[in-house]
Amino acid sequence: GESVGLHLPTLSVQEGDNSIINCAYSNSASDYFIWYKQESGKGPQFIIDIRSNMDKRQGQRVTVLLNKTVKHLSLQIAATQPGDSAVYFCAEMRGSNYKLTFGKGTLLTVNP
Amino acid sequence: GAVVSQHPSWVICKSGTSVKIECRSLDFQATTMFWYRQFPKQSLMLMATSNEGSKATYEQGVEKDKFLINHASLTLSTLTVTSAHPEDSSFYICSAAGGSTDTQYFGPGTRLTVL
Repeated sequence: GESVGLHLPTLSVQEGDNSIINCAYSNSASDYFIWYKQESGKGPQFIIDIRSNMDKRQGQRVTVLLNKTVKHLSLQIAATQPGDSAVYFCAEMRGSNYKLTFGKGTLLTVNP
Repeated sequence: GAVVSQHPSWVICKSGTSVKIECRSLDFQATTMFWYRQFPKQSLMLMATSNEGSKATYEQGVEKDKFLINHASLTLSTLTVTSAHPEDSSFYICSAAGGSTDTQYFGPGTRLTVL
C-alpha cells in the first residue's frame, strides 16, 4: 500500500527574485550530479548537470554549485518566474550504469 | 534531443485485470530503461532496471511476477501490472538512458487507477 506522505521541503519566493534550492547528497563516491524539475502530474525534466571535477556550472538562468567537501549541491534560479513553480530533485550517479539516487525534492512556489 | 514518451498517460482499470504501459525513447537508443513509482508529495521510487535484451533487475520488495518488464528493443520497454489491485494505483514513470545521453531522461508518466 501507499506509504504515509512525507512533507516536502518548500521554498516560496516572489516573482523576479532569485531562488536557491539546496541538496545534501549521500555518497562521496558519486561523480555526476543532476537537477530535475517536476511539474505537477508530469515526469521529471532535466535542468542541468555537473561532474565532480567541477564546482560550478551555468545554464540559462540556472547555476549549479557543487561542494564535495560537505557533499552539498545547490541550484540557483535567477529572476524566478511563475513557470518555475515545481518540485526540484537533485540526483547523484556513481560510475556509468546510469543508476540515480534521488534526493527528497523541494517544492518551489513562485508568487506573482 | 533525448525525448521519452509513455503510453497511456492515464488508465483506469478494474481490480484483477492487467495493464500494460509502454515507454519509448524517440530520438536515441536506450540501452537501459528504468521504471519508477511515485506517491504524492514523495520522491521517485525505483522499481526495476532493464537492459535491452536481458532480464530486468528488480529492487528489493518489488514483485517481479506482478510487475513484468520487457525491454525487447533499444527504443521500447513495457511494464505490465498483472492482476492489478487498488493499492497498485499510483503514478508510474519510466526513464531511458544510453547512447549519447549521460543521464536518464524521463517519460511524462502514467497515472494508473485501479477500481
